[in-house]
Amino acid sequence: GAGVSQSPSNKVTEKGKDVELRCDPISGHTALYWYRQRLGQGLEFLIYFQGNSAPDKSGLPSDRFSAERTGESVSTLTIQRTQQEDSAVYLCASSFGPSGTGELFFGEGSRLTVL
Amino acid sequence: GENVEQHPSTLSVQEGDSAVIKCTYSDSASNYFPWYKQELGKRPQLIIDIRSNVGEKKDQRIAVTLNKTAKHFSLHITETQPEDSAVYFCAARGFTGGGNKLTFGTGTQLKVEL
Repeated sequence: GAGVSQSPSNKVTEKGKDVELRCDPISGHTALYWYRQRLGQGLEFLIYFQGNSAPDKSGLPSDRFSAERTGESVSTLTIQRTQQEDSAVYLCASSFGPSGTGELFFGEGSRLTVL
Repeated sequence: GENVEQHPSTLSVQEGDSAVIKCTYSDSASNYFPWYKQELGKRPQLIIDIRSNVGEKKDQRIAVTLNKTAKHFSLHITETQPEDSAVYFCAARGFTGGGNKLTFGTGTQLKVEL
């Protein structure tokens, strides 16, 4: 597709289980971000990938959170031993990076509910 | 790294009035300042952006102003309509610490009342 694609769109899991969220950025976009958005709240930065540079992981809230990106394509966000406070919408966004227009395109998000 | 502050957190205006949202940033090297609109249950989408080589940009009822000396930028919406009701996020792209990462403000919930 032409846009940023995220899966699953909805995920319900039990406390303590691991979850994996996937993001397919727009082709050619070198920059990829993950954000967490709790209900009625702002965009909480998690992690930023830019080309082949080391990712900026400064926003990851704990060592239960990790993310990988293969080259300039798909990224996965993994949450281990999920807690109820992890319940949120996880948004992925991509852009052409600093040399491009800079416009960030968001996916529809993955809504995570931890019971 | 870059730090972006946004005010107010909520704003209520009467239809037809103007709305102004203000943001400040910390990294003097930042050169790109977009604004995103997020309607309820939807993804954020870019509505307007400005680069550091201009002081003002306008697109129909929306305008953005930038003051690099004071390190602040503002979104102005004129003749507000009910469909303008949404959460608005400002952002700045900094170059220190986090490379070229885009940093968002905390958002402003705008409500346009009939």
